[in-house]
Amino acid sequence: GAVVSQHPSRVICKSGTSVKIECRSLDFQATTMFWYRQFPKQSLMLMATSNEGSKATYEQGVEKDKFLINHASLTLSTLTVTSAHPEDSSFYICSADMRAQISGYTFGSGTRLTVV
Amino acid sequence: AQKVTQAQTEISVVEKEDVTLDCVYETRDTTYYLFWYKQPPSGELVFLIRRNSFDEQNEISGRYSWNFQKSTSSFNFTITASQVVDSAVYFCALRGSNYKLTFGKGTLLTVNP
Repeated sequence: GAVVSQHPSRVICKSGTSVKIECRSLDFQATTMFWYRQFPKQSLMLMATSNEGSKATYEQGVEKDKFLINHASLTLSTLTVTSAHPEDSSFYICSADMRAQISGYTFGSGTRLTVV
Repeated sequence: AQKVTQAQTEISVVEKEDVTLDCVYETRDTTYYLFWYKQPPSGELVFLIRRNSFDEQNEISGRYSWNFQKSTSSFNFTITASQVVDSAVYFCALRGSNYKLTFGKGTLLTVNP
């Protein structure tokens, strides 16, 4: 079945640095990718929607200059957390739009970001 | 606006008990999809079911069953004869016309041996 490979699974970075998270669709082309953030013991909140070859659409309250999303190809979407702060520590997960499939979406395995 | 409410924050049962997880949704769309996902401690989301708004048939898959009641905007999930491996956070989600998923806050299910 369709697989989205998300890397890294865990990352620890220092405050002020940037971290890049990658999501690759391994055996299909992902025209649309969704990025979510999940704080501990909370729900998944949609951050942005990225479409291949165009600018991402951010949800209200999400800083687009801080969370840079690039979807330059049909198999790769990246989320870069710039100038990370401890409050950015969270679980980030991507999801490819698979509306033609019964599951509707294929999720990456998630990235646990800790900013120290 | 879309909204999904999972009123049960945490449920604890003893193995072999049946347990029902509640989900109530709100949407103005006439066509929409409802989902249930399981999130074990490792964090990945495991797809359990998708149901479209025009299909109110209940579904059973092994020990899992789902009850979709459009009249009450509910899509409840029942696990029969629960097992320790069922322990996880379960999310109900809704997709409307904009193809974005709105998740409920999740229900933490703990099945004790």
